[in-house]
Amino acid sequence: DAGVIQSPRHEVTEMGQEVTLRCKPISGHNSLFWYRQTMMRGLELLIYFNNNVPIDDSGMPEDRFSAKMPNASFSTLKIQPSEPRDSAVYFCASSLQQGHEQYFGPGTRLTVT
Amino acid sequence: AQSVSQHNHHVILSEAASLELGCNYSYGGTVNLFWYVQYPGQHLQLLLKYFSGDPLVKGIKGFEAEFIKSKFSFNLRKPSVQWSDTAEYFCAVSSTGGFKTIFGAGTRLFVKA
Repeated sequence: DAGVIQSPRHEVTEMGQEVTLRCKPISGHNSLFWYRQTMMRGLELLIYFNNNVPIDDSGMPEDRFSAKMPNASFSTLKIQPSEPRDSAVYFCASSLQQGHEQYFGPGTRLTVT
Repeated sequence: AQSVSQHNHHVILSEAASLELGCNYSYGGTVNLFWYVQYPGQHLQLLLKYFSGDPLVKGIKGFEAEFIKSKFSFNLRKPSVQWSDTAEYFCAVSSTGGFKTIFGAGTRLFVKA
């Protein structure tokens, strides 16, 4: 099993640019989660999906952030426009069933200058 | 609302010392409990989990945790730590059948060689 796949692994962009982060969950997993991790704020849940449907997006910090899951094998997290304070590591995770253990991807390290 | 409290933010131990990291949660129903580990520069990985049954759970790398329902606790233990255990440890709770998993703030463990 390839595990959760995220791309890109590193992204450096300028303030104001659009950023799209991608995630491929483990095949057969029906829940997908997007997290952000920084030294200051720790690990924050941004949004999660169950069976491709967004269940809770209350963790999305602003309207600049949006996430989609068009099918069971792909999700995107988009930031438009990006700001320096969005710099963080963004993790995607998936789980087989609701409430079960999550498998994390390697993360995308985003730097906004 | 569910919450998870990890008592120590930073722990420093010498090799061969015993480890106990505290975790308390707040939730009235049936829960699933997890400990995750994040090695420097890596993503979160599952150390162990408790769903039901024997409250003493054994995980990978010699770690174990004990669920004490009356104390709403799920403390992580290891009898003898190694330098390679240097990492951040996260306790997490989900409600049985629930979508969301609540993570604690994490405990950074540094093991001196």
